[in-house]
Amino acid sequence: SQTIHQWPATLVQPVGSPLSLECTVEGTSNPNLYWYRQAAGRGLQLLFYSVGIGQISSEVPQNLSASRPQDRQFILSSKKLLLSDSGFYLCAWTIGTSGSHEQFFGPGTRLTVL
Amino acid sequence: QKEVEQNSGPLSVPEGAIASLNCTYSDRGSQSFFWYRQYSGKSPELIMFIYSNGDKEDGRFTAQLNKASQYVSLLIRDSQPSDSATYLCAVIPNDYKLSFGAGTTVTVRA
Repeated sequence: SQTIHQWPATLVQPVGSPLSLECTVEGTSNPNLYWYRQAAGRGLQLLFYSVGIGQISSEVPQNLSASRPQDRQFILSSKKLLLSDSGFYLCAWTIGTSGSHEQFFGPGTRLTVL
Repeated sequence: QKEVEQNSGPLSVPEGAIASLNCTYSDRGSQSFFWYRQYSGKSPELIMFIYSNGDKEDGRFTAQLNKASQYVSLLIRDSQPSDSATYLCAVIPNDYKLSFGAGTTVTVRA
């Protein structure tokens, strides 16, 4: 069966510090991968998605970036965090080929920028 | 106009009652529709998906889709306190990307 991991689970960072969040998927190959952010009491905002190694699409202009160095690894980064970057960061995956498109979420990383 | 709209709630129902959640979407070409449940502080969990007009039942959950009216709903029968959560409606307009509603918070009171 497929599983998705995210770490760290929680993170407290000062404004202006760098960020690296990691997501890995097990039990599937060539998944589509997604990064979402959920601000407190808000809906899910799609940040990036990737259909393959090195292929990244950005949905929202911001100080965040994403990379996919391996088939089942997706990384979210920032060089300098802003207060507005606080939120619940969720990685999700779906089957890469045409199909039902159900997305499955990882456990999330709760980021607080102070 | 938002792509996916839901009543924010909160929706309060007594234990054992039916909870009815509604969702409308703007892209008439949408083909895939999903309901996620999100407990406080946790990540969303897929509970239902539906692709064809009509009803789809899974245990105490029923999803209903009406593409002509651009409307999808979720019914929770025999509501339990464990059903207290935020329910997210999601739609795939035309590619790989899900578009989410803001969610409806449901509280089941014992």
